[in-house]
Amino acid sequence: NAGVTQTPKFQVLKTGQSMTLQCAQDMNHEYMSWYRQDPGMGLRLIHYSVGAGITDQGEVPNGYNVSRSTTEDFPLRLLSAAPSQTSVYFCASSYSTSGRTSTDTQYFGPGTRLTVL
Amino acid sequence: DAKTTQPTSMDCAEGRAANLPCNHSTISGNEYVYWYRQIHSQGPQYIIHGLKNNETNEMASLIITEDRKSSTLILPHATLRDTAVYYCIVRPRSGSARQLTFGSGTQLTVLP
Repeated sequence: NAGVTQTPKFQVLKTGQSMTLQCAQDMNHEYMSWYRQDPGMGLRLIHYSVGAGITDQGEVPNGYNVSRSTTEDFPLRLLSAAPSQTSVYFCASSYSTSGRTSTDTQYFGPGTRLTVL
Repeated sequence: DAKTTQPTSMDCAEGRAANLPCNHSTISGNEYVYWYRQIHSQGPQYIIHGLKNNETNEMASLIITEDRKSSTLILPHATLRDTAVYYCIVRPRSGSARQLTFGSGTQLTVLP
């Protein structure tokens, strides 16, 4: 298994540009989520999904859109990039959303480093 | 999720045990204690979790006090590769609010 993969690894945008950060997992996980991490800080949840066709907002959703058309993919779209969105973005997935098991480990991707000029 | 308090940084000598404390005095009965770590520039990595009993796996041990208001992560024989930020997270077992809430964590530096 490749686990959680993210592309691109690095991206530079100009203010106002749009782009999509890709995230894919091959573990058949129900739950997927996006976090951002600013320098010296912990991760903050942007959006999450409990299954295909279902998404919800996290702590810092403004300026981002998500969709979940398949179990494997959970892309994050920046509608109009702003310098405040300069950050490292991590995608994560985990197996269970229904509480069937307490061992609900989240697996993280390697991150996308985004700079908005 | 219950708030957690961790020291900002700690040092540990290579080969010695690293003991990382975490306070979670407002933890509720259905909340687990999870530990993740983040090695520089990488995605967070799961270490261990527990409810009320002490837990051990191939990476670490987790000691939870009887009142569950604090816990300690123990890396029995720290190596240089254990240098990372360690996050203590408290979260419910199930339900919609099961996402991880990361604080600032503890920067553990293992010294040669």
